[in-house]
Amino acid sequence: GAVVSQHPSRVICKSGTSVKIECRSLDFQATTMFWYRQFPKQSLMLMATSNEGSKATYEQGVEKDKFLINHASLTLSTLTVTSAHPEDSSFYICSARVGGRGYTFGSGTRLTVV
Amino acid sequence: QQQVKQSPQSLIVQKGGISIINCAYENTAFDYFPWYQQFPGKGPALLIAIRPDVSEKKEGRFTISFNKSAKQFSLHIMDSQPGDSATYFCAASRAYGGSQGNLIFGKGTKLSVKP
Repeated sequence: GAVVSQHPSRVICKSGTSVKIECRSLDFQATTMFWYRQFPKQSLMLMATSNEGSKATYEQGVEKDKFLINHASLTLSTLTVTSAHPEDSSFYICSARVGGRGYTFGSGTRLTVV
Repeated sequence: QQQVKQSPQSLIVQKGGISIINCAYENTAFDYFPWYQQFPGKGPALLIAIRPDVSEKKEGRFTISFNKSAKQFSLHIMDSQPGDSATYFCAASRAYGGSQGNLIFGKGTKLSVKP
């Protein structure tokens, strides 16, 4: 139980275009979703925290107009990378709290901007 | 206050040996300490987690040792196998008491288990 399904797993896009990443909680309601970014051989860095029905909270240094987060329902949160550039190429991972059982992670999205 | 320091950065262990990874935290409000295993191109997967009211937790070949006074916790992998070769992250959060706190991750340890 407590599965977060993340799609797509890989995406290649052209510089200047936008890309949407979806995370769905399959068997529980995710009130809060965390979005992380991971560069090669580095740790996970929190980008933003989204709460269902309200605006996301972004970490310092993360551009909220570039990384649009929508959490319109208890089972779906999306991250849209707008006007993507090569430096946005990274591994993006979502995570949700699961009641008293800690956190569950999506399988990640490898974004490559060419 | 928010950092989690992890060591070593990399670790090579012979098959059958014991792998030990250490972490230290600063924020005494943290109440949840998980370890995650990550393979290349995949999301982190929870291995084992502990709360600060116990000093040790064992699940199969994986053991967490927790020292609240020293603000340190460690992961021990007994009888290490080549399939354990992965990157391991410790983390900490304020997960209980109604908090929706996020996880703070260590920098990771790349474990290689040699046959």
